[in-house]
Amino acid sequence: ETGVTQTPRHLVMGMTNKKSLKCEQHLGHNAMYWYKQSAKKPLELMFVYNFKEQTENNSVPSRFSPECPNSSHLFLHLHTLQPEDSALYLCASSQVGTSGGYNEQFFGPGTRLTVL
Amino acid sequence: GENVEQHPSTLSVQEGDSAVIKCTYSDSASNYFPWYKQELGKRPQLIIDIRSNVGEKKDQRIAVTLNKTAKHFSLHITETQPEDSAVYFCAANPDSGGYQKVTFGTGTKLQVIP
Repeated sequence: ETGVTQTPRHLVMGMTNKKSLKCEQHLGHNAMYWYKQSAKKPLELMFVYNFKEQTENNSVPSRFSPECPNSSHLFLHLHTLQPEDSALYLCASSQVGTSGGYNEQFFGPGTRLTVL
Repeated sequence: GENVEQHPSTLSVQEGDSAVIKCTYSDSASNYFPWYKQELGKRPQLIIDIRSNVGEKKDQRIAVTLNKTAKHFSLHITETQPEDSAVYFCAANPDSGGYQKVTFGTGTKLQVIP
């Protein structure tokens, strides 16, 4: 596998279920991101992990819980979701210099989540 | 925080014509401005980016201009082709001290009519 991969590609869950989304990057990057893409608000940044440390939580409800065990893997744990959480969840990675120097973000294919 | 506005939301052009998409941003600390293309059912992919020390950048049929004083930047596509049909997102990235906090615009759906 190359680039950024995500599993599962599609997920249907009830409001009381607990599930996890997985992202893996094979690019040697040091930063990973979760985005939510919906028709109402395209590409909302949810979480940023830089060198495995969470550096941004963009006012995301606690029913979304990220985990970054190492610089290549990123998880999004879901519990007690609402129907309005249905969206495409995109993972991305990039290489960030310690003094800035931003570079391209590489996106995964996304997980299409439907909450019933 | 940063706020990025993008216009128009939809754009239809005849094949061979030019397309222009405009964005404005609010945070004067933003210094990196990427543009992403997302084809239907696919992931966003970077097509061009510009940094604040440059006013214009060109890559074949695609060009981006940046006006830091006015806080706006634009994407120009010349000689459009049907495969240019997609949703285009602009973005702004302020200096966040070592990590990227990209704010995206709301997207422009470009349709190139053969």
